[in-house]
Amino acid sequence: DQQVKQNSPSLSVQEGRISILNCDYTNSMFDYFLWYKKYPAEGPTFLISISSIKDKNEDGRFTVFLNKSAKHLSLHIVPSQPGDSAVYFCAASRFGGANNLFFGTGTRLTVIP
Amino acid sequence: EPEVTQTPSHQVTQMGQEVILRCVPISNHLYFYWYRQILGQKVEFLVSFYNNEISEKSEIFDDQFSVERPDGSNFTLKIRSTKLEDSAMYFCASSKDRDQPQHFGDGTRLSIL
Repeated sequence: DQQVKQNSPSLSVQEGRISILNCDYTNSMFDYFLWYKKYPAEGPTFLISISSIKDKNEDGRFTVFLNKSAKHLSLHIVPSQPGDSAVYFCAASRFGGANNLFFGTGTRLTVIP
Repeated sequence: EPEVTQTPSHQVTQMGQEVILRCVPISNHLYFYWYRQILGQKVEFLVSFYNNEISEKSEIFDDQFSVERPDGSNFTLKIRSTKLEDSAMYFCASSKDRDQPQHFGDGTRLSIL
């Protein structure tokens, strides 16, 4: 199942700078996208979502951008903080079904103080 | 903040035995889900549950698996005749509505010996 891909397994960023995490999808039926953050020994924590009728959604330091034509979304974190160090998962689903999520493999973000 | 709780955090079971994983979803949520993550792999959807019945299930969710909402608060996943390959982290999630973000518990690590 390669419907959602995160091609960068890891990313290191200096504190205060921007972190950009990327995600690609192949299924054009996906119309709802989410980002989750995961610390070790914990479950995924919901961060931010976007529906396909929008191309941008912002919540504090977190902004998600959606490019439907490229089937690409990205999560921007500005400014990055050491507490943001975690694994970030992109997920996608189709409205009209039971909304089961398809996950990417995750990107490990390390914010260096 | 309300959260999804899962018990136990770690379950060790002999191959061939039955195991029940328990979850208490967020109280005003109506949709319930089980996912699993085999070590080193993606988080994978197993089943969704709404209005006391299965809404959707993946091909992983075969006759070995069953779900139940035995009372107004618990949501359980039963795995019969466990196999070595059932070893994984199992996550429960719930959402208020079909098009609302899913919130995850911290998972149960299932180890089959």
